[in-house]
Amino acid sequence: AQSVTQPDIHITVSEGASLELRCNYSYGATPYLFWYVQSPGQGLQLLLKYFSGDTLVQGIKGFEAEFKRSQSSFNLRKPSVHWSDAAEYFCAVGARASKIIFGSGTRLSIRP
Amino acid sequence: DAGVTQSPTHLIKTRGQQVTLRCSPKSGHDTVSWYQQALGQGPQFIFQYYEEEERQRGNFPDRFSGHQFPNYSSELNVNALLLGDSALYLCASSFSRTGETQYFGPGTRLLVL
Repeated sequence: AQSVTQPDIHITVSEGASLELRCNYSYGATPYLFWYVQSPGQGLQLLLKYFSGDTLVQGIKGFEAEFKRSQSSFNLRKPSVHWSDAAEYFCAVGARASKIIFGSGTRLSIRP
Repeated sequence: DAGVTQSPTHLIKTRGQQVTLRCSPKSGHDTVSWYQQALGQGPQFIFQYYEEEERQRGNFPDRFSGHQFPNYSSELNVNALLLGDSALYLCASSFSRTGETQYFGPGTRLLVL
């Protein structure tokens, strides 16, 4: 079955601290992987995506993610968070011209 | 370059009514997908339209139907509304030739009373 698991429902980090959000997926074929961010009451903004090639991908706002095929993981990282990073983060998996399957999200809070 | 736009932004309906939500894709995109996001959950795929036909459908009842117009814009229709249909409805567009990345609109918040 195709699925995405985000094991952390809510994470709080201090401003300036590093961040890692976990994501594991189950997908039959070689997946396309995404991280989206959603501010309260807003739509989804694409942070980064992985299709093939270098397993470490860079995204917007200083985020990066690493694809590890052996662990079926695609964790999101940021070396130093800012208060404006507080939001809901969704990991997602899909295929070309197909539906996207989302995880349940991780809510990020920033401690001043 | 306009992104994905959706209308209306908010909507209140009562049980049993019908609703139509609208979406205009990002310039250059020809494929539209619809998602339902219940409070506190991730988006769930409803269906995808390409060349004015439904190409793929998620696990939603027939009360949910859609349409795509020649200009690639799309409508989502929901009949016989239930309280459980209250959610944020998101439209996403993509380009069929590449197709990997879907760009989302701001959504329509539907409240069913």
